[in-house]
Amino acid sequence: DAGVIQSPRHEVTEMGQEVTLRCKPISGHNSLFWYRQTMMRGLELLIYFNNNVPIDDSGMPEDRFSAKMPNASFSTLKIQPSEPRDSAVYFCASSQTDSQETQYFGPGTRLLVL
Amino acid sequence: QKEVEQNSGPLSVPEGAIASLNCTYSDRGSQSFFWYRQYSGKSPELIMFIYSNGDKEDGRFTAQLNKASQYVSLLIRDSQPSDSATYLCAVNGAGGFKTIFGAGTRLFVKA
Repeated sequence: DAGVIQSPRHEVTEMGQEVTLRCKPISGHNSLFWYRQTMMRGLELLIYFNNNVPIDDSGMPEDRFSAKMPNASFSTLKIQPSEPRDSAVYFCASSQTDSQETQYFGPGTRLLVL
Repeated sequence: QKEVEQNSGPLSVPEGAIASLNCTYSDRGSQSFFWYRQYSGKSPELIMFIYSNGDKEDGRFTAQLNKASQYVSLLIRDSQPSDSATYLCAVNGAGGFKTIFGAGTRLFVKA
């Protein structure tokens, strides 16, 4: 299995631009998670989906952030407009069941907003 | 109070020693507990999970859970320089879905 795939791996953009991060979970996994990691705040859960349905988006920082999962093999996290404080590593993870099970993380997207 | 607390370290141990990493959590209804290892610049990877009170051993790693004290720990025996990484404690709440991560403990194993 290829594991969780994320793109792009690195993104540099200017403040105010739209940023779209992409994730392909492991085939057969029915839960997908988006995390943000910074030195100051550590690893934060932004949103998670189960069977393509958003279950909890309470971690999404504000309305500038949105996430979609149109099908079982693809999810996006969009930031519009982006701000310098959004600079972080964004991880996507997937797991096989609703809970309890191991989450497999993708390689992450390093985002720098200038 | 943070939901999952860890000592940020760094924790430095000599090669061959036992490294002890600790974690406390605030949600008494938490059901499952995980230890992830994260090398610098890489993504977290699961080392162990534990659901029941007591010890769980896997090779050089032992996870210990004490739900009454809301405490979970990870012991690494015969520590190796390759164990040098940040170790993240993660807890699933009573609802099961949402995983809360601690800030991580940085471990250095000196050769």
